[in-house]
Amino acid sequence: GIQVEQSPPDLILQEGANSTLRCNFSDSVNNLQWFHQNPWGQLINLFYIPSGTKQNGRLSATTVATERYSLLYISSSQTTDSGVYFCAALYAGKSTFGDGTTLTVKP
Amino acid sequence: NAGVTQTPKFQVLKTGQSMTLQCAQDMNHNSMYWYRQDPGMGLRLIYYSASEGTTDKGEVPNGYNVSRLNKREFSLRLESAAPSQTSVYFCASSLRQGTGEKLLFGSGTQLSVL
Repeated sequence: GIQVEQSPPDLILQEGANSTLRCNFSDSVNNLQWFHQNPWGQLINLFYIPSGTKQNGRLSATTVATERYSLLYISSSQTTDSGVYFCAALYAGKSTFGDGTTLTVKP
Repeated sequence: NAGVTQTPKFQVLKTGQSMTLQCAQDMNHNSMYWYRQDPGMGLRLIYYSASEGTTDKGEVPNGYNVSRLNKREFSLRLESAAPSQTSVYFCASSLRQGTGEKLLFGSGTQLSVL
């Protein structure tokens, strides 16, 4: 199956800072998604982004499919951005999630 | 409210007991999934159902069975619970498999097997 690696594993920021999270995947995918798991465990789908760039408020994501990586940008971070960010590759009914990046935003 | 609903939210079992986790979605989605999440790890797919009447094994199916009762409901059964099945279980759905479809999750079931 497809391997998914995320970096960094942990990230601590001051409120207002910007950050970039990376997701590398081992093979071509046509369904790459980013999720945020908040401190209460709820999983929110942030982006479906198999290629190109999308933006949603302070968050944006870029996937370069030919080079097999995706980036999630968080600008002007807020304490509510804290949690774990996962990327996932979905294919043929199956899916592989990375181990996540744990983001802590301090006030 | 539209979305994916899981029950129960918490459950404690003794080794060898059985139980069924229930999941229902009201978004008319075709595909449904069961995942488990262990501490510090990403989600691993247990079983999925691409459409009503079909189910397939995911990455970690051993010790579990599933039933796609109808288009709305997809249940996960533990026949004889083991401590290794202590985990948080998430149900998810998408309109269909494949490209272009976002995966939407329920709020999870925290299961402890003693």
